[in-house]
Amino acid sequence: EIVMTQSPATLSVSPGEGATLSCRASQSVNTNLVWYQQKPGQAPRLLIYGASTRATGIPARFSGSGSGTEFTLTISSLQSEDFAVYYCQQYNNWPPGTFGQGTKVEIK
Amino acid sequence: EVQLVESGGGLVQPGESLRLSCAASGFTFSDHYMDWVRQAPGKGLEWVGRIRQKAKSYSTNYAASVQGRFTISRDDSKNSLYLHMNSLKIEDTAVYYCTRVVAVAGSGYSDYWGQGTLVTVSS
Repeated sequence: EIVMTQSPATLSVSPGEGATLSCRASQSVNTNLVWYQQKPGQAPRLLIYGASTRATGIPARFSGSGSGTEFTLTISSLQSEDFAVYYCQQYNNWPPGTFGQGTKVEIK
Repeated sequence: EVQLVESGGGLVQPGESLRLSCAASGFTFSDHYMDWVRQAPGKGLEWVGRIRQKAKSYSTNYAASVQGRFTISRDDSKNSLYLHMNSLKIEDTAVYYCTRVVAVAGSGYSDYWGQGTLVTVSS
């Protein structure tokens, strides 16, 4: 089973600043990786699929990059609605589709 | 608009059974793989299982943690997905999400999620 490791666990950012979240796979997942955003009390929402393609309706300030074992989610200028927990998930070596443990982006 | 609405959660004792349902609308349900994903209170996401379409013989896969205890089924005539949970354990306590899957790379990922239903296993 592939292990997904996200860092940092918590990221403190001021509104308007940028944020960079990392996700590392224990072995290559090619570009078969997604990012989800989850706000308190809500279901996860798909942000990025195929490591770098924004899902429908996702603002351009969200971008994904990487391949193989190293991936990054970048939020260029944080808005108030972006403070949430972000999860990566691989779907290359399946089952199971393993998730990272999440990165919480909080207001500094 | 794609909608997934789960129901059936509640409080049960260890060893008991429960059936969750998910009503789908806004898309051709019968064309899609469907997943169940769960989230224990204050914890991360855990994939539970998948069911494929009729064309794939409604084949299923399960996480090791639920294999042999949980069964996923679907009724395409009712646009409904089910999760049959037997021999429930305390560690099965979680919010259970129904998700629609985009099939790709021989597997796929969830693009739409329901709001979830809470299952609490406690004596």
